[in-house]
Amino acid sequence: GQQVMQIPQYQHVQEGEDFTTYCNSSTTLSNIQWYKQRPGGHPVFLIQLVKSGEVKKQKRLTFQFGEAKKNSSLHITATQTTDVGTYFCAGPPDSNSGYALNFGKGTSLLVTP
Amino acid sequence: EAQVTQNPRYLITVTGKKLTVTCSQNMNHEYMSWYRQDPGLGLRQIYYSMNVEVTDKGDVPEGYKVSRKEKRNFPLILESPSPNQTSLYFCASSLRGLYGYTFGSGTRLTVV
Repeated sequence: GQQVMQIPQYQHVQEGEDFTTYCNSSTTLSNIQWYKQRPGGHPVFLIQLVKSGEVKKQKRLTFQFGEAKKNSSLHITATQTTDVGTYFCAGPPDSNSGYALNFGKGTSLLVTP
Repeated sequence: EAQVTQNPRYLITVTGKKLTVTCSQNMNHEYMSWYRQDPGLGLRQIYYSMNVEVTDKGDVPEGYKVSRKEKRNFPLILESPSPNQTSLYFCASSLRGLYGYTFGSGTRLTVV
C-alpha cells in the first residue's frame, strides 16, 4: 500500500534558525496536506497543495509540492518558539479506488530561545 | 462554532468491556475518519466514511467497528477492548475527501 515517509523525525533549532521537513510518498498523490500538532493538542490543518510544482506561502512558512507529485517540503524561515510542535504531511493516493488519507509519522520541531 | 466533538476525552476501561467513543461534526461534512496515534507510529487510519451508510477500512481496522447512520455522527465501537488498543484516538471530518480535515480534540483511552 501507499507509504508516506517524513524526515527528519526530530529537529532541534535555536530561535531564529530555519527549519525544513521533507515528505516522500511511494505513490503519486492527488494532493498533499500539511498539519501541525502542538504538544498535547490535536492536528490542525495548515494547507493543501494540488498542482505539480506548486509553491504556497503562509507568512514564514513555505510549502512545495514536487513535480512528480510524490514529494513535498515545508520550510519555516526564522523559527519562533510558537512554531514548536509536530508537523505532519498527508496525502490520498491518486486513484479512483477509494479514499484513505495516509499520514507520515511527522517531524517534531523543538525551538529553544 | 464549526467543530468536531469527541466524547469522552479520557476513558479508562477493563479488557473486554464494550465501549463507544462518539464523534459529531456540525459542518455538514461528507467525509469522516478515525485515527489512532501512538508514539513513534504517527497517525494511523482505522476507518473512514465517505457518506451516510458508506464506510471502509483504513490501515488498522482490527478490533474496531464504526457506523454512519447520520451525516453528523460517526461513532467508534470497541466490542471487546484489549490493552493493545490503549491509544490516543482522533475523529476528523472533511467537506470532501480530498479537502483538509478538521480534527476533534482527541480521546485518550486506557485499557487495563
